[in-house]
Amino acid sequence: EAQVTQNPRYLITVTGKKLTVTCSQNMNHEYMSWYRQDPGLGLRQIYYSMNVEVTDKGDVPEGYKVSRKEKRNFPLILESPSPNQTSLYFCASSLRTGTPLEQYFGPGTRLTVT
Amino acid sequence: AQTVTQSQPEMSVQEAETVTLSCTYDTSESDYYLFWYKQPPSRQMILVIRQEAYKQQNATENRFSVNFQKAAKSFSLKISDSQLGDAAMYFCAQSTGANNLFFGTGTRLTVIP
Repeated sequence: EAQVTQNPRYLITVTGKKLTVTCSQNMNHEYMSWYRQDPGLGLRQIYYSMNVEVTDKGDVPEGYKVSRKEKRNFPLILESPSPNQTSLYFCASSLRTGTPLEQYFGPGTRLTVT
Repeated sequence: AQTVTQSQPEMSVQEAETVTLSCTYDTSESDYYLFWYKQPPSRQMILVIRQEAYKQQNATENRFSVNFQKAAKSFSLKISDSQLGDAAMYFCAQSTGANNLFFGTGTRLTVIP
């Protein structure tokens, strides 16, 4: 089944404890992206990747890191999480870069930082 | 910079009736795409409908259709014969050639039996 998977789905952590949210797609998509969703703000892009080893900042990149060493994986890293990073996170992928085809979203990761 | 505005935080509709959700956007790009995504309580993001800016014809997907007014930068979603399963948060989004999606703040739709 074609899908985008994220792990974990739920995470509660403390301020400053490094964490990684994994994202994997099995559709051989070139483009991958991370978004965060906050009430009243919609979804905002954190980082995106147009292909392996090609990443760039979105609208709200502060406090986050990403890497794209393999085409299928695009992990989101929070080196030192803070409470303002409490949010719902979505990973998404799209077949090709440069043509705004449908983006397929993962199921979301609910992160709480205390 | 792209901006997407949804001015209706909440809407309600009677089952079997029609409802229209509003969206306006602003972009300097000439080639772009517009989307409506549905987010039910499960939180999954589901694509409802897509419109290419270069196409004058409004997109339609079963009970869902759009009214795309390019000059006015307006992109509204019409849901006909509303069903209980249509209850969700609806997000309007715009994408340019780089694939990056810019979302509005969402409209929560309630369907009244």
